[in-house]
Amino acid sequence: QVQLVESGGGLVKPGGSLRLSCAASGFTYSDYYMSWIRQAPGKGLEWVSYISNRGRTIYYTDSVKGRFTTSRDNAKNSLYLQMNSLRAEDTAVYYCARVGDTAIVTFEYDYWGQGTLVTVSS
Amino acid sequence: SYELTQPPSLSVSPGQTASITCSGHKLGDKNACWYQQKPGQSPVLVIYEDSKRPSGIPERFSGSNSGNTATLTISGTQAMDEADYYCQVWDSSTVVFGGGTKLTVL
Repeated sequence: QVQLVESGGGLVKPGGSLRLSCAASGFTYSDYYMSWIRQAPGKGLEWVSYISNRGRTIYYTDSVKGRFTTSRDNAKNSLYLQMNSLRAEDTAVYYCARVGDTAIVTFEYDYWGQGTLVTVSS
Repeated sequence: SYELTQPPSLSVSPGQTASITCSGHKLGDKNACWYQQKPGQSPVLVIYEDSKRPSGIPERFSGSNSGNTATLTISGTQAMDEADYYCQVWDSSTVVFGGGTKLTVL
């Protein structure tokens, strides 16, 4: 069965850095686009980034461009989010999610991890 | 940038039909999907490609998308359907979520 397990969240001071990981299993990881999506406490879902199946194409939402870097290691079935220059407004639960359509005709997320909480506070 | 607008809340009585709307410019030209999120849980895909249901999603969930509005319809709403619902599209290489609708079943 498909599993996505995030790790690496925690408390960090403003301006600090954190690296999130997402371990994937139960499917051919290298066939799928992957995404990071976050949810601030009590707020809605916000797309952060996605990466193509081979890692050649990466897109970010404007608010994290230049600060966050998404990468993947297909040999390790893993997705990463390097977060630098963190701000209070980056406080959120961060989910990794799989894009269900390998042909990328549509872009729905068919599996989500349980999320990892990132808190940016002094 | 593209925007999706949802009503913040909707209330429905058990057994009635709930219709949750999602509005965006020429939304009908895009593929819309919907997620259900219950408190403390990760989102679950309930509709994709405007109207398709993933396996395991009850038949009472249906979707449509035309013009500027996509609609998630829950027929015979049950207490277990009480949750937040989000629409989502992919536009110009970015992913956009609606602000979410809190569905209350009472």
